Amino acid sequence: GQNIDQPTEMTATEGAIVQINCTYQTSGFNGLFWYQQHAGEAPTFLSYNVLDGLEEKGRFSSFLSRSKGYSYLLLKELQMKDSASYLCAVLDSNYQLIWGAGTKLIIKP
Amino acid sequence: TAGITQAPTSQILAAGRSMTLRCTQDMRHNAMYWYRQDLGLGLRLIHYSNTAGTTGKGEVPDGYSVSRANTDDFPLTLASAVPSQTSVYFCASSESTGLNTEAFFGQGTRLTVV
Repeated sequence: GQNIDQPTEMTATEGAIVQINCTYQTSGFNGLFWYQQHAGEAPTFLSYNVLDGLEEKGRFSSFLSRSKGYSYLLLKELQMKDSASYLCAVLDSNYQLIWGAGTKLIIKP
Repeated sequence: TAGITQAPTSQILAAGRSMTLRCTQDMRHNAMYWYRQDLGLGLRLIHYSNTAGTTGKGEVPDGYSVSRANTDDFPLTLASAVPSQTSVYFCASSESTGLNTEAFFGQGTRLTVV
C-alpha cells in the first residue's frame, strides 16, 4: 500500500528553527509537495521537490532523498503566523497526490 | 482573482437526503479534484477530472458522484447522505496533472450529516 508518515504535532519557539520530517512509501514517485494549512483554511502550496537535495525559498527550505524515501521541511526564524499544519504529499506513478495526515506546528512566544 | 469558490461554506444535512456541493474556478485549469479531510487522516481523493468532459474515481468514491460539463465547474453530489460522510470537503484545481503542478484549493465545505 501507499503510506506517508509525518509527526502528528510539534512545538517550537518563536525565532527558532524547526524541521518537519516526512517519510513515504508509494507506487512510483513524481515529486513531493509541501503545503501549509492554517486552521479552518485551505491548504496553500509551499514547495516541490523532484530531485535530491535542498530547495530554499526564503525562510522555508525543503529537502528530498529519493533513495531513503525521505523529505523534510525546514522553517527558520519562526514567527507566530507559522503556527499551522504542514502537509506532505507525494505524486505517485499515476500522477495522483498521496497525502500525509499533516503535522500541526505550535509556535510559542 | 477569485480562484476557486466553493458553496456552501457549511451545511447540516439529514441522513438520506441528497446534496450537491458546488465548485467553480476562474483560472481555466484543466484538472479539478474533490477531497475530503478528516481529523487524523490525510486529504483523501474522492473524484477527479483531468479535463472537461472526463472524470475518474479516487481513493474513496463510494456514495459520491461528479460531473464536468465545462472547464469551470465541478459539482460533487451525495445521492443519499450517511453520517460517515460528515467531513470537510475541499475542491482543488491544477493547470495540468503533470510534474510540479501546484494545486489550488477552495475554502472548503464543512458538512455534517445527522
